[in-house]
Amino acid sequence: NAGVMQNPRHLVRRRGQEARLRCSPMKGHSHVYWYRQLPEEGLKFMVYLQKENIIDESGMPKERFSAEFPKEGPSILRIQQVVRGDSAAYFCASSQFRDFNYEQYFGPGTRLTVT
Amino acid sequence: AQKITQTQPGMFVQEKEAVTLDCTYDTSDPSYGLFWYKQPSSGEMIFLIYQGSYDQQNATEGRYSLNFQKARKSANLVISASQLGDSAMYFCAMRGSNDYKLSFGAGTTVTVRA
Repeated sequence: NAGVMQNPRHLVRRRGQEARLRCSPMKGHSHVYWYRQLPEEGLKFMVYLQKENIIDESGMPKERFSAEFPKEGPSILRIQQVVRGDSAAYFCASSQFRDFNYEQYFGPGTRLTVT
Repeated sequence: AQKITQTQPGMFVQEKEAVTLDCTYDTSDPSYGLFWYKQPSSGEMIFLIYQGSYDQQNATEGRYSLNFQKARKSANLVISASQLGDSAMYFCAMRGSNDYKLSFGAGTTVTVRA
């Protein structure tokens, strides 16, 4: 199966801990997007990355959140010192091209719960 | 900036009937794409259908069709012959030609009754 993979699917962290979410794009896709879905809401864009570059991070909170997409390995969304408000589903999507008319394929999401 | 509005928080439909989900949008981009995604209770996001702003014909994919009215800035999804498995949350999204991200509406929950 060459779909977008995310792990872990569920992650529980205590307040103040770090959360690391991983995303492996579809084979042949070099464009990765992260979105966050709060309960009962639609998805909100966080960041867009290409290999080794952050292209658009306009949706990322200014503090505690960071993302990377290294030359080798998956894309990582890192949340430091998590708070309860970070509890959400985090989705990764990938696309083959960045043009607007190309579909973004979504992974299954990571459900983060902060206790 | 793009804005997507879905005004129907929840809908009930009888099995085998058709249902229309409303979506209106606002953008200043000259070209854009409109997408519909399905999110079942298991949580994954499933792509359903795409409409380009310059496409002459309305998009169709199996039981899904998109009623695109550019002048009204609406892109309604029609699901024909509803099935129990269609029960899910449905999101309308768009992406402008000058934008990287998808902008999503708040979603509409569809419940199909037997």
